Amino acid sequence: QQQVKQSPQSLIVQKGGISIINCAYENTAFDYFPWYQQFPGKGPALLIAIRPDVSEKKEGRFTISFNKSAKQFSLHIMDSQPGDSATYFCAASSTSGSARQLTFGSGTQLTVLP
Amino acid sequence: KAGVTQTPRYLIKTRGQQVTLSCSPISGHRSVSWYQQTPGQGLQFLFEYFSETQRNKGNFPGRFSGRQFSNSRSEMNVSTLELGDSALYLCASSWDSDSRNQPQHFGDGTRLSIL
Repeated sequence: QQQVKQSPQSLIVQKGGISIINCAYENTAFDYFPWYQQFPGKGPALLIAIRPDVSEKKEGRFTISFNKSAKQFSLHIMDSQPGDSATYFCAASSTSGSARQLTFGSGTQLTVLP
Repeated sequence: KAGVTQTPRYLIKTRGQQVTLSCSPISGHRSVSWYQQTPGQGLQFLFEYFSETQRNKGNFPGRFSGRQFSNSRSEMNVSTLELGDSALYLCASSWDSDSRNQPQHFGDGTRLSIL
């Protein structure tokens, strides 16, 4: 029940296109859903996050869409650039109790072609 | 503001040895979490410390332990190293809140290789 399922495993997009990564969760106690971007040799960097009281959050070219009833959320990268080529992880955590652990998806390797 | 600092960046050990990794959180952050990242298992939660106390623990054997100091700096220790412990060990810090999750910010990790 702690799992977060992420798809696709890899994604190739042309420059200027839209990249879409999807995640699904089972644990209804999850109430915080961040996305991280990781470049080779670096740690994950927080990209954008959403809480279940909103259905969409946009920051620049990055948008999270959240569907609470379906227990799904997705990351959209508009006008994808070669510099966006990285591995993207969705994650989820719960505020209940003292838990602060993030449960991560398996990652999506995004390649943006010039 | 300096980010999360992890030292060393790279370590090579042999089976049976033990290792200690260090993490300095972002100034003002009191929660420190550790994660293991491997190609096969992805990112997995090890444990979280707050105010020098382990507040949460993931599903790892007792060979993995940690501690936090009064200045919020944290160390993790792995004893009796096994080949499968080869991984990137990541530390993340956050400003703690009882009511809402706060963003966790990661360091660049320590790459541990077991020969």
